[in-house]
Amino acid sequence: GAVVSQHPSWVICKSGTSVKIECRSLDFQATTMFWYRQFPKQSLMLMATSNEGSKATYEQGVEKDKFLINHASLTLSTLTVTSAHPEDSSFYICSTQGGRGRSTDTQYFGPGTRLTVL
Amino acid sequence: TQLLEQSPQFLSIQEGENLTVYCNSSSVFSSLQWYRQEPGEGPVLLVTVVTGGEVKKLKRLTFQFGDARKDSSLHITAAQPGDTGLYLCAGSSSNTGKLIFGQGTTLQVKP
Repeated sequence: GAVVSQHPSWVICKSGTSVKIECRSLDFQATTMFWYRQFPKQSLMLMATSNEGSKATYEQGVEKDKFLINHASLTLSTLTVTSAHPEDSSFYICSTQGGRGRSTDTQYFGPGTRLTVL
Repeated sequence: TQLLEQSPQFLSIQEGENLTVYCNSSSVFSSLQWYRQEPGEGPVLLVTVVTGGEVKKLKRLTFQFGDARKDSSLHITAAQPGDTGLYLCAGSSSNTGKLIFGQGTTLQVKP
């Protein structure tokens, strides 16, 4: 069964507005979650590592003030795309790592959120 | 910087044919995962390989991890239309815990 959920599954917004995406770990307490974005027919690109109780670690080239990450609890991380623009339109996917009975190397992915900015 | 080169990037074959997807790197990984992703969905884990030389089978899919843990392959026997999708390999960095993804292989199996 699913171990990671995301909400919403899709969102359409106007340019300049902010959008919040939630990622929930369903069956264990995740101290670390990851946020990726994916363009059509391309692979996943890591945006940031979300750490419970501390600041997120962003990959090079990812604007931390534009993509706000809050790991509010051991089961919830949120990604807020601030002042969204059409170029932010993408498929955003989160993941958790490890868990009870699972390899600590392996990541399990949420179903993704399709963001379209008009 | 660790990189994973995945090939081919696109593959269109007829039902019943066999195929192999390769992932190669100059870096050593602590483990390597293979995922399958369908349009509009998140990647779904197929297998994790950890030991150099390891071979794992999942029905018609055979996964192999290179002896030096720098490369891996996915072989599909008698492909079926239901195998259509994006296949992703991802190596785990023992230093950072992050996954390094290959470019992906888009597989289309025609009936």
